Amino acid sequence: GAVVSQHPSWVICKSGTSVKIECRSLDFQATTMFWYRQFPKQSLMLMATSNEGSKATYEQGVEKDKFLINHASLTLSTLTVTSAHPEDSSFYICSAHLGGDRFSYEQYFGPGTRLTVT
Amino acid sequence: GQNIDQPTEMTATEGAIVQINCTYQTSGFNGLFWYQQHAGEAPTFLSYNVLDGLEEKGRFSSFLSRSKGYSYLLLKELQMKDSASYLCAAMDSNYQLIWGAGTKLIIKP
Repeated sequence: GAVVSQHPSWVICKSGTSVKIECRSLDFQATTMFWYRQFPKQSLMLMATSNEGSKATYEQGVEKDKFLINHASLTLSTLTVTSAHPEDSSFYICSAHLGGDRFSYEQYFGPGTRLTVT
Repeated sequence: GQNIDQPTEMTATEGAIVQINCTYQTSGFNGLFWYQQHAGEAPTFLSYNVLDGLEEKGRFSSFLSRSKGYSYLLLKELQMKDSASYLCAAMDSNYQLIWGAGTKLIIKP
């Protein structure tokens, strides 16, 4: 159980275009979803936390107008990278947890999306 | 501030035992997670500790000392497939994960 999917798994786009990444919890309802970015040989960097039906909470230094997050339902969150630039090229990973008790705070990770901006 | 420290890289031999240490400083504490991440893949959950002591799960064990702000992941009978990065993450009072930079474990035959 607790499977999270991401789509697409990889994407190449031209500088200046926008890219949407979907994150879905397949067999559970996720009260909270997280978006991370990971550069090569570095750890996960939390970008934002989103709760269904409310605005995302962005971490310091993350531009909310550039990285648009929509958490429309308990099983779907999307991250749109707007006006992408080569420095946005990275591995984007979403995760979700159930919440409620300590075992539900385990984060279930999607497989990640590798974005390359040319 | 909040901080997680773990070694950058470790090397061990196939069949041996390795211990990966992690120290943490967080605002409040709601548990310590260990994740395994193979290159180019997303992290996968290994363990969760919130009480002091050792929790064993097959070849992997995780230990926590809350008073010392310290945890370790113990891997026994190392296999080549254990070559990966191991991420330590502490959950703060807001239930947010504070991630370490990861320890790259290299297994040699």
